[in-house]
Amino acid sequence: AQTVTQSQPEMSVQEAETVTLSCTYDTSESDYYLFWYKQPPSRQMILVIRQEAYKQQNATENRFSVNFQKAAKSFSLKISDSQLGDAAMYFCAYRSAERDDKIIFGKGTRLHILP
Amino acid sequence: KAGVTQTPRYLIKTRGQQVTLSCSPISGHRSVSWYQQTPGQGLQFLFEYFSETQRNKGNFPGRFSGRQFSNSRSEMNVSTLELGDSALYLCASATGSGYGYTFGSGTRLTVV
Repeated sequence: AQTVTQSQPEMSVQEAETVTLSCTYDTSESDYYLFWYKQPPSRQMILVIRQEAYKQQNATENRFSVNFQKAAKSFSLKISDSQLGDAAMYFCAYRSAERDDKIIFGKGTRLHILP
Repeated sequence: KAGVTQTPRYLIKTRGQQVTLSCSPISGHRSVSWYQQTPGQGLQFLFEYFSETQRNKGNFPGRFSGRQFSNSRSEMNVSTLELGDSALYLCASATGSGYGYTFGSGTRLTVV
């Protein structure tokens, strides 16, 4: 079974600085999707970024980028120029592209932005 | 384009009662999934419906059930509520496997 691990329960970063959130996953599949979701205090989960496993190029969305290392099964999220609105719970997630299966989420990393 | 709508936003129920939560997906999305979120367990998958059929099911007792209607709207039902069912219930819809979910704002259920 696939698993997603986020080893940092909480992190803090100074406003305007850069922070990297870690995520590792375990799978025997070769084709899959990886996601980062953000859940602010309003509790609505928002898709931040998406990566297709067969694409070598790392996905980017404005200040958010990922470092996807397929062989190492690592999928970290980098947030540049951190803003107060980035404070939230961040979830790493995995979804098979080989089967119609659920999205599997990690336990989350709570990110604090220090003014 | 309207997002995923969950009703109600908050609910307080007594142990032993039953509850029905509703989810209206984004127009055109045929897949609807339900998750239970608690501080201790994180996000746990309940079930997924696609075109009115349950496609996937998580490891929850039979007290948890769901269904999907022909317009893709979905409901989940919890019977014989227990204190441990207190949680945020999130509904998410998707157009296809690779596109991730779009989530609703959730229903906060408190069982007293």
